[in-house]
Amino acid sequence: EAGVVQSPRYKIIEKKQPVAFWCNPISGHNTLYWYLQNLGQGPELLIRYENEEAVDDSQLPKDRFSAERLKGVDSTLKIQPAELGDSAVYLCASSRDIKAVQYFGPGTRLTVT
Amino acid sequence: DQQVKQNSPSLSVQEGRISILNCDYTNSMFDYFLWYKKYPAEGPTFLISISSIKDKNEDGRFTVFLNKSAKHLSLHIVPSQPGDSAVYFCAASGRGFGNEKLTFGTGTRLTIIP
Repeated sequence: EAGVVQSPRYKIIEKKQPVAFWCNPISGHNTLYWYLQNLGQGPELLIRYENEEAVDDSQLPKDRFSAERLKGVDSTLKIQPAELGDSAVYLCASSRDIKAVQYFGPGTRLTVT
Repeated sequence: DQQVKQNSPSLSVQEGRISILNCDYTNSMFDYFLWYKKYPAEGPTFLISISSIKDKNEDGRFTVFLNKSAKHLSLHIVPSQPGDSAVYFCAASGRGFGNEKLTFGTGTRLTIIP
């Protein structure tokens, strides 16, 4: 079965510009996660979706970050405007449900200059 | 506060020997623990897990041990192979509001020396 797909793999933008990341989860996986991974750290959850509903977005900086999963399948994470401190790897993961193992995509490495 | 801690940032082991990676946690509500392996420019890959009702789970060369009283788990890889060189993350989840999400440690970089 195909894994979690993310695009783009790399993105370089200037600060104050907007950026968007896309994720397509494994087919049949109802739960979708967006994580942030800073250098030398483990992934940190930004938002979790159960189908199209965001059920945990407590760690999402809502002043500049937004996410959507309109049809309960693929998802988009947006940052507007980007700041220098947003430079990191953004990982998407999916699972059959919250109790199941999470499978990660390759991530998008964002560099803000 | 760091609820899942991996105190060794790096570890080097000779090929064929045993690799032991350690992880400590502080949240007593955690009841499910996982190890993920990460190669450069790839996402983390699930390796092995253990529920708090067990103290050992084995899958081929990989064994995870859980010591609930010490809030400690370890991953044993034997024999170690060059392809095992990667960053290993310990993760935990549990019961109660806010605990159901996965909390990751900071990772241990394992290098297998041929």
